[in-house]
Amino acid sequence: AQSVTQLGSHVSVSEGALVLLRCNYSSSVPPYLFWYVQYPNQGLQLLLKYTSAATLVKGINGFEAEFKKSETSFHLTKPSAHMSDAAEYFCAVRDYGGSQGNLIFGKGTKLSVKP
Amino acid sequence: EAQVTQNPRYLITVTGKKLTVTCSQNMNHEYMSWYRQDPGLGLRQIYYSMNVEVTDKGDVPEGYKVSRKEKRNFPLILESPSPNQTSLYFCASRTRARMDEKLFFGSGTQLSVL
Repeated sequence: AQSVTQLGSHVSVSEGALVLLRCNYSSSVPPYLFWYVQYPNQGLQLLLKYTSAATLVKGINGFEAEFKKSETSFHLTKPSAHMSDAAEYFCAVRDYGGSQGNLIFGKGTKLSVKP
Repeated sequence: EAQVTQNPRYLITVTGKKLTVTCSQNMNHEYMSWYRQDPGLGLRQIYYSMNVEVTDKGDVPEGYKVSRKEKRNFPLILESPSPNQTSLYFCASRTRARMDEKLFFGSGTQLSVL
């Protein structure tokens, strides 16, 4: 069965600093991986997705993620944090099992950006 | 505008009083799903539906019911709410065309059961 683990429930960075949010996955088959972002008082929206076309995936708002099969990781990065990046971020993997393609979400990482 | 609409946005109720949270999408999506979000637990799936009249349990279905009589609507029913169902609820939908299709989420329903 597929699963994802997000390391760190809270991450705090200064404005302009590198953002690194960690996600490790478990999958016996090539995975479909996603990062979603949830801004305060809103639903989740897709940030980026990995579908095997390229290992480095670029998303919205300057975020990108690199798929590393050897490390079973799909970490999310942004070179320079902005105040508007403060949100909760969820890594997710598509389930190939009996649930017919449901998304399995990590527990989330809340990003704070200090001025 | 493509969207998933949930109502109400906020709901306070008492133990045992039946309630329904509505969800509607205007994108002709086959797949719809309900999640609950709790601090430290992330999103957990309650029920999902692959198409009209086809529903199945997710990870935490106890105490909830759903129906899918029309493609656009997927209401969540709590027949006898209890305080442990106090949570933030999200409805979501997507097409089934490909495995990399993204989920569209509603804005959420904050439920408090007293």
